[in-house]
Parts: sequence; C-alpha cells; structure tokens
Amino acid sequence: EIVLTQSPGTLSLSPGERATLSCRASQSVTSSYLAWYQQKPGQAPRLLIYGASSRATGIPDRFSGSGSGTDFTLTISRLEPEDFAVYYCQQYGSSPLTFGGGTKVEIK
Amino acid sequence: EVQLVETGGGLMQPGGSLRLSCAASGFTVSSNYMNWVRQAPGKGLEWVSVIYSGGSTYYADSVKGRFTISRDNSKNTLYLQMNSLRAEDTAVYYCARGGSKKPFDYWGQGTLVTVSS
Repeated sequence: EIVLTQSPGTLSLSPGERATLSCRASQSVTSSYLAWYQQKPGQAPRLLIYGASSRATGIPDRFSGSGSGTDFTLTISRLEPEDFAVYYCQQYGSSPLTFGGGTKVEIK
Repeated sequence: EVQLVETGGGLMQPGGSLRLSCAASGFTVSSNYMNWVRQAPGKGLEWVSVIYSGGSTYYADSVKGRFTISRDNSKNTLYLQMNSLRAEDTAVYYCARGGSKKPFDYWGQGTLVTVSS
C-alpha cells in the first residue's frame, strides 16, 4: 500500500498569499496518477488536479500541481477567501487507492 | 448533468446491518468504476470499496468480509451492504466515480452512518 504523507498539517495564511502544499509517497506513484481534492466543511471533496498537474474542469488557474515519483506539490498562487479549506492528495494508480491525511489552509 | 445521490444512512447498533444506495444520473454506473469512500467525524478520507465496470470488486482491509458493494444496472444505482457494523464504521459515506487510473471526478453529497449503542 502506498502511504501518502501531507505537510504541513495546517497552513495559516492571509488572502492574496501563496500556498504551497506537499504530498510525499512511500513509493513511486505509477505514471503520476496523483490527484488533489479540496473539501469545505459539510461538503463533498472536489477534484482540483489530476495526473499530478492537469486542472480539472472549471478549476481556476491559480491552482497548479507539480511533481513526480514520490514528491508532489499543490500551489495556490494567490489565496482567495473561498480557497480556505482542507486539501487532500490521492494516488489512484495502485491498489488500494490511498489518500493523504490532508492539509488545512486557514485564515491567518 | 452528472449527479450522485446517496441515501440509507442512519443510527445503528453495533452488530447491525445497513444498506446504502447511490443513485446516479447523467452517466451509466455499469460503464464506470464506482467507489465508496468514508470520512469519520473530524478525520480524513478513507477509500472503502470499488466495483469495476466488468464487475470485479475490491475492499479495504478494514471492511473486507463485512461490506459488499454491488450495483443495479436497471436502476443505475450503486449499493453498499454493511454488516456486522462496528463503532469505528461511524462516518459520512460518499459514493464517487473513478478509480484505477482515473481520478474521482464526481462525488455524492454523502450520507451519515452512526454506529452506537
């Protein structure tokens, strides 16, 4: 099983700042089958990024993903008020599919 | 428009059984990989089970032998039969489309299962 470790656990930032979230895998993620999801309180997760760097439909370009192998990054270039949420990475290339523990982006 | 609507959650006693449903619209369940994912209160996401378009099924070790995923093609609906429920099964259960080299692109709104005496 591929274990995904996200850091930091909590990121305290102000609107307009840049957010950098990390996701490290215990072994190489097959063909960069790495996704990022955003979850707000009381809502289902929403797909942001797939294939490590491709934005899902309707996702603003301030969200970007990068990385390969075991190290992946989600960057939010300028935080908008609606971006404060919890973010999860997921690998979907190897069974069982696994999620990281999440990073909470909170308003400083 | 793609939509997934889960129903069937509720309060159950330990050892009890419950069946969750996920009604899909806007696409065909049987042509896709469909999953159940759960989230315990205040915790992260945990993949529970998948059913492939070909009918193969897989489970997380934590539910293997107790939960069964299935689908009704005529109703375009996904199910999760949950037996021998434990307190640690308490969670919001989401159905989601995707898996095996496809991300989870659509999610339902979730249904809460509480296991408590």
